Amino acid sequence: NAGVMQNPRHLVRRRGQEARLRCSPMKGHSHVYWYRQLPEEGLKFMVYLQKENIIDESGMPKERFSAEFPKEGPSILRIQQVVRGDSAAYFCASSPPPGTGAGTEAFFGQGTRLTVV
Amino acid sequence: AQKITQTQPGMFVQEKEAVTLDCTYDTSDPSYGLFWYKQPSSGEMIFLIYQGSYDQQNATEGRYSLNFQKARKSANLVISASQLGDSAMYFCAMSPSGGYQKVTFGIGTKLQVIP
Repeated sequence: NAGVMQNPRHLVRRRGQEARLRCSPMKGHSHVYWYRQLPEEGLKFMVYLQKENIIDESGMPKERFSAEFPKEGPSILRIQQVVRGDSAAYFCASSPPPGTGAGTEAFFGQGTRLTVV
Repeated sequence: AQKITQTQPGMFVQEKEAVTLDCTYDTSDPSYGLFWYKQPSSGEMIFLIYQGSYDQQNATEGRYSLNFQKARKSANLVISASQLGDSAMYFCAMSPSGGYQKVTFGIGTKLQVIP
């Protein structure tokens, strides 16, 4: 949904470089989720964050990947020493805190397409 | 753990006809939410429709309706009066209820609307 802003839309990195993907949630949303979509596949959950707190990172690869959602500013998904297999679309979604909204949907950004060359 | 199964990799439908996209799910959660998202070739994820597991009536949103059969654990999407702009990937998804939106997605169905 247009309210969740991700940038850049497209990112090209050489193997071994770092990739930084940014996500600004919808206004009033304090929960952010990152998903990865490999070619020809559905989205896979990576991590769920609140401000300054990682709630669930069960879908994050153990190495090279990290995420943060600071008190001020966007959420950042960082991939260090990228490899060809990291090429994918990375989606961010946001939702209001539990119990405050309808809880019926997470709004997605337009995604960042990472290409590792 | 939650699991979504979409068994139709690709579907064709004639313009103005209705089409049903299949989705079955598995979960041990007592309550949950079911979603459908559309992903056009431009790549964004567009929310279409939501069904809560305790909702008594099937959800409808314009030309989209969700045929929810809890006993069969199915949540099929019905698109009525197909339009050329409906050509896209469609993903069925689910999440635990209560506002926590860790969503599990199926692998998708590619729908092509034929003029």
